[in-house]
Amino acid sequence: RKEVEQDPGPFNVPEGATVAFNCTYSNSASQSFFWYRQDCRKEPKLLMSVYSSGNEDGRFTAQLNRASQYISLLIRDSKLSDSATYLCVVNSPSGSARQLTFGSGTQLTVLP
Amino acid sequence: DTEVTQTPKHLVMGMTNKKSLKCEQHMGHRAMYWYKQKAKKPPELMFVYSYEKLSINESVPSRFSPECPNSSLLNLHLHALQPEDSALYLCASSQEAGLAYEQYFGPGTRLTVT
Repeated sequence: RKEVEQDPGPFNVPEGATVAFNCTYSNSASQSFFWYRQDCRKEPKLLMSVYSSGNEDGRFTAQLNRASQYISLLIRDSKLSDSATYLCVVNSPSGSARQLTFGSGTQLTVLP
Repeated sequence: DTEVTQTPKHLVMGMTNKKSLKCEQHMGHRAMYWYKQKAKKPPELMFVYSYEKLSINESVPSRFSPECPNSSLLNLHLHALQPEDSALYLCASSQEAGLAYEQYFGPGTRLTVT
């Protein structure tokens, strides 16, 4: 089983739609969680950290469910500029060689 | 300012060449990282420097040699690379090499080995 699993998509949604991505992680000792977005041929950019209480930044809402070991990202009122690959990232203490573990990414295309 | 810079943007090198990738950050971060990313794959960690000391080497072949001259700079020296080493090489930094800290990535160097 992969340490961090995401639905690869692609998700093709019309402008204005609400879209949700889920991500599961296998290490119950994981302590920090992030969503990054990566545009084609660009570097990953931090979108938001994910806190236990859930957090919101404008149209983006992130949730963490430690009991079920999953993280979600909700995008409301999708814009064309939201088209990107969204990477779920987990920072786990176990396994000395690990710092950040990346999911494979979920590709989102917002259509006009 | 969450900026990490990398040079060069693109690099084409032969298998017998020696070249270096450079990374710089001025955020006062004490941890710096090298990642390798192939097309349509997530970044793979190569090296971690914490307080200018190498703390993690993810079993990277010796043809890749990292160097941290000071707390703001990170180099990756390349020698005798193989075509399969062609990839996007990303540098990142974080406040500390701890669990809770976000990493900020540079724009990457796109390397082609011929």
